[in-house]
Amino acid sequence: EVQLVQSGAEVNKPGESLKISCKGSGYSFTSYWIGWVRQMPGKGLEWMGIIYPGDSDTRYSPSFQGQVTISADKSISTAYLQWSSLKASDTAMYYCARAPAAMTVYDYWGQGTLVTVSS
Amino acid sequence: EIVMTQSPATLSVSPGERATLSCRASQSVRSNLAWYQQKPGQAPRLLIYSASTRATDIPARFSGSGSGTEFTLTISSLQSEDFAVYYCQQYNNWPPAFGQGTKVEIK
Repeated sequence: EVQLVQSGAEVNKPGESLKISCKGSGYSFTSYWIGWVRQMPGKGLEWMGIIYPGDSDTRYSPSFQGQVTISADKSISTAYLQWSSLKASDTAMYYCARAPAAMTVYDYWGQGTLVTVSS
Repeated sequence: EIVMTQSPATLSVSPGERATLSCRASQSVRSNLAWYQQKPGQAPRLLIYSASTRATDIPARFSGSGSGTEFTLTISSLQSEDFAVYYCQQYNNWPPAFGQGTKVEIK
């Protein structure tokens, strides 16, 4: 069974760094892309970026380029989304999702990680 | 960047009735259009890809149509479990983009 399991909810202060994770299982982790999607409270879905764990090819939405870093460790089938300096506006639910190609649909999704940034 | 616009924002429908949701792209995305369903507190679920192909285990009451810039998701007879928010997503042009969503609520 394909599963994407994300790390738990986080509460952080503005200016702190953070790294959340997404662990894949039940499929060949290095043969599919992992994308990240933001959902701010009460709002819609925003595509952030995507990584191919097989060779770490990473692409970002212009809206998120420079704001976050996407990485992966294929040895432990885990993708990451990280911030170097959080802002209150980063408060959101973040989903990882699997895609067969960089430009295609997302067929399996993680359960989401809620990130709250508040002083 | 392509902008995806969904209408209406909210659709009030009685159980058993038909629901028709629209999605418009700011430029052609050919048939590279997907639909997702999101229920409260849950992750999105893929319903339709390539504009009209149902994903695995999606009931036949869900159907998609359209190409180019105009797309439609139709739910032929709404069941209680279908009340949710629906998003379209284009994956023809970089970067991929979602519409703002249509909430289907009980009338």
